[in-house]
Amino acid sequence: GESVGLHLPTLSVQEGDNSIINCAYSNSASDYFIWYKQESGKGPQFIIDIRSNMDKRQGQRVTVLLNKTVKHLSLQIAATQPGDSAVYFCADTGANSKLTFGKGITLSVRP
Amino acid sequence: DTGVSQDPRHKITKRGQNVTFRCDPISEHNRLYWYRQTLGQGPEFLTYFQNEAQLEKSRLLSDRFSAERPKGSFSTLEIQRTEQGDSAMYLCASSHGQGGSPLHFGNGTRLTVT
Repeated sequence: GESVGLHLPTLSVQEGDNSIINCAYSNSASDYFIWYKQESGKGPQFIIDIRSNMDKRQGQRVTVLLNKTVKHLSLQIAATQPGDSAVYFCADTGANSKLTFGKGITLSVRP
Repeated sequence: DTGVSQDPRHKITKRGQNVTFRCDPISEHNRLYWYRQTLGQGPEFLTYFQNEAQLEKSRLLSDRFSAERPKGSFSTLEIQRTEQGDSAMYLCASSHGQGGSPLHFGNGTRLTVT
């Protein structure tokens, strides 16, 4: 897999490889973090979340890692499939549950 | 389908006209949010409701924009005297409102102002 920051808008991976999408957040008071997937013409779809008292959480084929020291969040997708092709957003939130989104990264899966 | 529902999916209007969008949240969710998304960008917060109370509004929400949630269930977002710069996807989301609960989004209303 490859890792990129939010500064690079596109990540291209081979089908079956692992993908790593990185995100930096700025609000040190954020205590809840979410990854969303957005397909063309649709709203953001919840993938996985993590609270600030954790540093890792696993779901089905996805893992989120949180490093509060450097304010860094990553999403790992195992065995990337064509259906994973989409734009991925990280978002963070404070006490009022108002989400602040990053600009997003396009994941493109090569067959 | 018990997800967030938005209507209409697409709206084309002429500059200067008023438009109104509707959002039906997930029924047990007491928080409702409106976001705006332009091409290539992440969603930007506009406003949110806790039940029927509008608790916060973004600076993006000019005086031409108004949102209501009269009975604490569905919500409407109205844009008066639309401008070309209002063209965007308007997204609605809802959540339980407890700390650390995810927002669930609808598929949005795509507004095009000609």
